[in-house]
Amino acid sequence: SQTIHQWPATLVQPVGSPLSLECTVEGTSNPNLYWYRQAAGRGLQLLFYSVGIGQISSEVPQNLSASRPQDRQFILSSKKLLLSDSGFYLCAWSVGWAEAFFGQGTRLTVV
Amino acid sequence: TQLLEQSPQFLSIQEGENLTVYCNSSSVFSSLQWYRQEPGEGPVLLVTVVTGGEVKKLKRLTFQFGDARKDSSLHITAAQPGDTGLYLCAGGMNRDDKIIFGKGTRLHILP
Repeated sequence: SQTIHQWPATLVQPVGSPLSLECTVEGTSNPNLYWYRQAAGRGLQLLFYSVGIGQISSEVPQNLSASRPQDRQFILSSKKLLLSDSGFYLCAWSVGWAEAFFGQGTRLTVV
Repeated sequence: TQLLEQSPQFLSIQEGENLTVYCNSSSVFSSLQWYRQEPGEGPVLLVTVVTGGEVKKLKRLTFQFGDARKDSSLHITAAQPGDTGLYLCAGGMNRDDKIIFGKGTRLHILP
C-alpha cells in the first residue's frame, strides 16, 4: 500500500534561519507531488507541484523553493525564514489528477 | 482566479439539522473529490466522482456531481458534532495535470 511520510511534525525556527522539510512516498512510482501551506482556519495554498524528478512548478512567488532529487522525495527549503513563513505545511501525492493523499503536516513557527 | 468556488465559507448549525455545501466552477472537471480536514491533520479523502450526474452516498453524506461536471454538492443529513471540520472540494481537468483545491467550507455542528 502507498504511504507518505512528512517530517518533522512541529518546528520552531528563528527568523533568518534556513529550512528543510522532507516528504517521501512509498508504494507508488512517478507520483505528482505537492507542497501546500495552510494558514489557521483557512484553505490550502498550493506552493509547488512536481510531475517528475527535477520538474518543479512554483505557484506563488515567495521565500521558499522546492526540489525533487528522487522520484518519491520532495523537499521544501528556504535560505532565510521570514515571520510570514509560519504556517501549517502539507505534502501530498497523487497519480495524475486522481485523488490526493496527504502527509500529517508540519507546523512551522518562525520566531 | 479561483477555479473552484466553495460556499458557504462558514456554516454553524445545530445537531440534527440537515445542510448542503456547494462547489462550483465555470470549468469542466474530469474528476472531483471531497475531503474533510480536522485541525492539525492533513485532509482525508471522502469520495471521488467522475461521471456527470453521479450520486454517491457515504452513510449520512450524499455527494452529487453536476450533469455538466462543473459543480458538486455535499449534503449531510442529521448532522452530528463529529461532522465538524473543514470540507474541501478538489478536481482535476486533465489526466496529467495538477489537482486544484477550493478554499473550503468550515462546518461547525453545535451539540
